Parts: sequence; C-alpha cells; structure tokens
Amino acid sequence: DAKTTQPPSMDCAEGRAANLPCNHSTISGNEYVYWYRQIHSQGPQYIIHGLKNNETNEMASLIITEDRKSSTLILPHATLRDTAVYYCIVRVASGFGNEKLTFGTGTRLTIIP
Amino acid sequence: SAVISQKPSRDICQRGTSLTIQCQVDSQVTMMFWYRQQPGQSLTLIATANQGSEATYESGFVIDKFPISRPNLTFSTLTVSNMSPEDSSIYLCSVAQYRGLALGYTFGSGTRLTVV
Repeated sequence: DAKTTQPPSMDCAEGRAANLPCNHSTISGNEYVYWYRQIHSQGPQYIIHGLKNNETNEMASLIITEDRKSSTLILPHATLRDTAVYYCIVRVASGFGNEKLTFGTGTRLTIIP
Repeated sequence: SAVISQKPSRDICQRGTSLTIQCQVDSQVTMMFWYRQQPGQSLTLIATANQGSEATYESGFVIDKFPISRPNLTFSTLTVSNMSPEDSSIYLCSVAQYRGLALGYTFGSGTRLTVV
C-alpha cells in the first residue's frame, strides 16, 4: 500500500471548514483513499473513502486531485466534537490475503471555540 | 456496518499474568483484525484473524505472546500472555466488510490494559 504524509497537527475555528491535506504521491491505480478519525480513547471511526472522483457524505467531503497524488478531507462546519486524530490511509480495495489496514501517524485536529 | 463489543473495556493486571480480550460482532464477518495502540502512538496491527484459517501475525508479534482464537464468524479472542508493563496499551479489534466495491473497517471501542 502506498504511504501517506499528513501534517502532525492543525487548528480550526469552530464553525469554519476544516481542510485536512494528505499526500500520497506513490498511489497506484487500484488503491483507494480512506479517512478515519479517532476521538480520544475511542476506536477509529470511518469517515469516507474514494478512488478517483470527489465524494461527499453526511460527515465530510473528500477531494482527490486529478493525478490522485493528494487529497483533502473537508469537514464543512467544524464543531468541538470534531477534535480528533485524523488518519489518511491508502490501500487496495480488496485482495485475498491483503485486507489489512495500516495506520500512519495522522493529523491531530483541534477545534478552537 | 457491524457493531463490535469488546470485553473488558479496561483492566489492571499483575506482571506475569495473562489477559484474554473478547470481541463479539453482531453479524457474521470473515475478516477480523487485532491492533495495539501504545500510549500516544498510532495503531499497530498485531494479526489478521480470518475464520477458518490460522491467524497471520505481523512482524514483531508472535503467537506465543498473543494467541488468538476465531471459533466462528462473530467472535474472536486475543490473549496477552506473560504480561509486562511494556504491554500496557489499548487493544482493539476490527472487522472488514464491503461497502460497494471497497472494504470498510469497523473498530471496537478497545480494551485499555495497564500492567503493574
């Protein structure tokens, strides 16, 4: 699976959009971009994933560049409850014997009141 | 997505003893994983525990230290054996299910282990 690079920490004002970048310059054509977050002392929570096109769900939007070498997770109206560590993970969609999910160090997002 | 229950949620154990952590899923899943999260660190995969096959351990983890059972499609246990203070961590189980064409992963809330 391709490696990802994320800033170690970010701050965002409450009510503003939080934009979390992720670089994955070695991504291959069959690898998806996944985003998870971990709120203190809880298990990681799925946010969103995408392959090529931009994606949106009730939690966030995922913008993937045309060359797929980077992406941005957008939390449109950040609240204090969005304070968490956010993980960007790149992996193949499936493959017998290759289903494991590997976590990097993530971005610690702090929402400021 | 699946709902995962982990027991115990936390425990304080004496060094040299063993603790078995249970992971119960509310639906049948083939792919299950065990992770460790040391204080202030990211998650590290211990092993993949697919039903019907032996657990596959990652580099640095061995079966004698972390034996895993996977008796059916809804349940698994991880044992932390002969514990030392260095084993103090959060242990999490996770399952993978398809969301469309891609796998989605659900995590339990974890077991916070302190070894004294």
